[in-house]
Parts: sequence; C-alpha cells; structure tokens
Amino acid sequence: AQSVAQPEDQVNVAEGNPLTVKCTYSVSGNPYLFWYVQYPNRGLQFLLKYITGDNLVKGSYGFEAEFNKSQTSFHLKKPSALVSDSALYFCAGPNNAGNMLTFGGGTRLMVKP
Amino acid sequence: DAGVIQSPRHEVTEMGQEVTLRCKPISGHDYLFWYRQTMMRGLELLIYFNNNVPIDDSGMPEDRFSAKMPNASFSTLKIQPSEPRDSAVYFCASSLGGAGNTGANVLTFGAGSRLTVL
Repeated sequence: AQSVAQPEDQVNVAEGNPLTVKCTYSVSGNPYLFWYVQYPNRGLQFLLKYITGDNLVKGSYGFEAEFNKSQTSFHLKKPSALVSDSALYFCAGPNNAGNMLTFGGGTRLMVKP
Repeated sequence: DAGVIQSPRHEVTEMGQEVTLRCKPISGHDYLFWYRQTMMRGLELLIYFNNNVPIDDSGMPEDRFSAKMPNASFSTLKIQPSEPRDSAVYFCASSLGGAGNTGANVLTFGAGSRLTVL
C-alpha cells in the first residue's frame, strides 16, 4: 500500500491567489516526506522535504509545506500562484518497509491568468 | 555535473522487438532507481541498485523486464519482447545515500525515455 496519497487529481487557481496541493501520509512515526514537481516533458525536480524539527518547510520557487502530525498531512502551499507554477506535483514518502521512496498519484496544478 | 542522462529520449518500436534504455547517474551517487510513469498507474518503482547491486526488483512487472548496472556510471533497462502495454515514460534517478527511512536523500531524475510500442 502506498504511504502517501494525493486526494485531488487537479487543482485550479487564478494567478496571484494562494494555492494548496494536498497530501496525506499513512506511515507511522515521523516519516521523511518530499514534494517534487514535473514540468512537461521533463523529469521530476525536488522542491522540498521534511525530516524533523520545524513543521513548516520552505523550498524552491517560493513553495512551502506544513507537516501536520495530528492530521497526517503534508500540504504544499504558495501565497501567490504564478502561471509558470502550472505543472504536475508529487508528494513522496517511505514505503511501509521503510526502504524506498513511493510517490503519490500526482496533482496537476493549473494556474490561470 | 550534467545531471542524470538517459537515452534514448524517444523510442518507437514494434511489438516483439527488444528495447534497451540507458542511464548514466550523477558521478558519486551510490543509489540508482528505475521508475515507470503511465497515466493509469502513475509513477512506479521498478528496481533499484545500491553500489551497482540490485536491491529490490519487486516492481519489475514481468520476466520480460531486466535491469543491469555493470559499473557505477551506467545502467540499462531491457524489455524483451516488448508489448504495447509497455508504452510509458521510463525514468532513471540517482541519489547519494538511500531513500525512504534509510535516509531523506534527494533523488535526481533524468529527463526520461518515452517508449511507444506499436
């Protein structure tokens, strides 16, 4: 079973508005969690990761994510979306055996001008 | 570093033909991963290597798939014979240190090889 889930296939947001891309996890304890982004015809690129400590993690391109243990969530956020943020976003975490990284199904973010 | 390099970027072949995808990881990285991406199944881990040794190949779909890593700078994923359902984008990724709970190490992905089997 996957350790992370992304409940939304697509998120639409207007340019300049805040955006949230959701991710929940099911691994016990404090897992390592990641966000990656995939632009068209490209490989995945690392955005940010949570290891331990501060629950608010800041990453590339103005993105941040909040680790919430009580809600078992690790949502990706950005205060003001850009059209260029339109891409496929993947949440990732360890599998149940803890020996490899598994990815959520991905969420397509569409930012409209 | 030029990053993870994959070839070919695009491959179109006919059912039954052998397909070989190639990957050059980042120099010094000791883990190498092969993923497959499809619309239906998302991103799936096929196999990964540590120090050129295959560690987990439980994601390899069938015996038609095989992967090798003869040295630290080269890996291949072979499909023989290929079938239309193998059509997908195949990604290679490498990292310094393990993934999952063995280490929160970042994977660097190649640009992918898009395979179309007719």
